This record gives sequence, structure tokens and C-alpha cells, in this order.
Amino acid sequence: GAVVSQHPSRVICKSGTSVKIECRSLDFQATTMFWYRQFPKQSLMLMATSNEGSKATYEQGVEKDKFLINHASLTLSTLTVTSAHPEDSSFYICSALRGAAETQYFGPGTRLLVL
Amino acid sequence: AQKITQTQPGMFVQEKEAVTLDCTYDTSDPSYGLFWYKQPSSGEMIFLIYQGSYDQQNATEGRYSLNFQKARKSANLVISASQLGDSAMYFCAMREGYQKVTFGIGTKLQVIP
Repeated sequence: GAVVSQHPSRVICKSGTSVKIECRSLDFQATTMFWYRQFPKQSLMLMATSNEGSKATYEQGVEKDKFLINHASLTLSTLTVTSAHPEDSSFYICSALRGAAETQYFGPGTRLLVL
Repeated sequence: AQKITQTQPGMFVQEKEAVTLDCTYDTSDPSYGLFWYKQPSSGEMIFLIYQGSYDQQNATEGRYSLNFQKARKSANLVISASQLGDSAMYFCAMREGYQKVTFGIGTKLQVIP
């Protein structure tokens, strides 16, 4: 199957700092990547759709100034949580779209803890 | 209305037995795709199987098969010969046309030795 990496896998930061999470498609090019957030024992909540070379499309209720997304190349998308607060603590997971069936392949996720 | 419904919050299955995880969906788009993903405790989402709305045959991938009943709008996942490593959360998901993918709330499967 396709491989998507995510870095870092875990991050602990102080309130008010910014955190950048990288999502890379390792063996294919992905014009579209997605960023999800998952709270414990809940399903994935789509935050935004990231398209290479254009602005991300954010879901309703997601603050675009707080969750900055950059998709600078066909293999890399980044999510920056700006001025993080404890309520931003969550599991963030990215996915990349591949193939005619447009199957999403997911990264391993990043656990963010904001103190 | 929910687009993806998974009515089984938790399921138990004996090792080596088969298990069916239910999924129903709601869409008026004639072109859609249905997916199943597995999420073990590590958190990663593992793609299992895909069924397109125009596919005539039910999708199969090793021990996984998708029981696609279009008229009933159901896309149940069947896992044959369950293994202990199958214990995980399982999510059903749907893509309508070229739109985003919507996930169900998941089913927690526990395989009993």
C-alpha cells in the first residue's frame, strides 16, 4: 500500500507556542491532502482540504488563522497550530489522495499535548 | 441526517470465526465510493477495502470482503477467520462524487482467544 509519513509523532508544547506538523507522501504524488482531528473515542473530524499550490479549504468552524496549512509540493503538506492552547490538544492525522479510486492513505498521526 | 451510520459501538468475535461489521450510508449522488479503515490502538488509520458505486462485484481483499447491497444502501465489512491482531476500531467511510470523505463513528472489534 501507499506510504504516508507524519512528523512528529508526539509533541508536547507550552501554551502560546506554535507547532508545525508535517505530512509526506513517500511513494506517490498527492495533489490533495487532508487534515483531520480526532478526539478520544471519537471519529475523525475533517479540518481542511489541502491542495498543492493553492489555498486550503477549511471546514465550517475551523479557524484558518489558527490552523495554518501549506501544501508547497506534491509530497508535502504542513499544519501549523498557532498560539496553541490546552483545548488544541488532540490527535491530528493527515491523509493523501492517491489513484483512480481516490483512496485516502493516512499518516500515523501526531499526538499534540499543550500544557 | 448522518451520511454514514455504524450502529454497533462494540463487537466481540471468537478467534478464527467470521464477523460482520455493519455500515449503512445515505447519498443521492449516483457516483460514490465506500471505504473501510482499521484503527488499532496506535492510532494509525489503515486502509482495508474500497467499493465503488458502479462496481458490479463485491470487493475483496484477503480476509476482508465488502457486502455491498446498493438498494439497501449498506456496505458491511466481513472479516473471515478473525485473528487477535484484528482487534481495533473499524471505520466505514464514503466519498460522494469528488467531495470529501465522511466517516462513521466506528465499531470497536475485540477478538477473543
